[in-house]
Amino acid sequence: DGGITQSPKYLFRKEGQNVTLSCEQNLNHDAMYWYRQDPGQGLRLIYYSQIVNDFQKGDIAEGYSVSREKKESFPLTVTSAQKNPTAFYLCASSFTGNTEAFFGQGTRLTVV
Amino acid sequence: QKEVEQDPGPLSVPEGAIVSLNCTYSNSAFQYFMWYRQYSRKGPELLMYTYSSGNKEDGRFTAQVDKSSKYISLFIRDSQPSDSATYLCAMSAPGGYNKLIFGAGTRLAVHP
Repeated sequence: DGGITQSPKYLFRKEGQNVTLSCEQNLNHDAMYWYRQDPGQGLRLIYYSQIVNDFQKGDIAEGYSVSREKKESFPLTVTSAQKNPTAFYLCASSFTGNTEAFFGQGTRLTVV
Repeated sequence: QKEVEQDPGPLSVPEGAIVSLNCTYSNSAFQYFMWYRQYSRKGPELLMYTYSSGNKEDGRFTAQVDKSSKYISLFIRDSQPSDSATYLCAMSAPGGYNKLIFGAGTRLAVHP
């Protein structure tokens, strides 16, 4: 089945650690996105990419990094510089020029 | 002022009621409008996608866009308990990267 797979579903991080969230899609989409969701704030864009080896900062990129070495994969690293990383992280993808974005099931990150 | 405003609710209705969910926006360049449904601890699921103004119907769901008022609506007819979820509006402008801007989401509860 085609879709977007995020892993892990739950992730716990200690203070000062970097963690990487995985996002893989087999929909042949060119564009991929990372959003952060906090209660009562909707989805905020962290990073997005329209093509391999190219990506752009979203509205809240500080403390995060991404790579796009393959069309199918867009991993997100939450660095120790991110002061408040506890949130629900959502990955999405779409065809370029078509803004119907489809989402994965999310990763819930908790700092312990 | 946020680019997209959405009443967070919660909205509680009896089964069978007609539900009206709304978003307002400030950016007149928005042309693509979407409604997503999100169940607790899950990724958003695309419900409706509309380009520019007008109505679109899909089963019990109707999406309306009024660009002159910068106002979009989602109507749910014959609401069911399974419709209980958070509904997110999203929109974007043509050209450039497909940057989707989301509302905060409205939490809906349909009780039997």
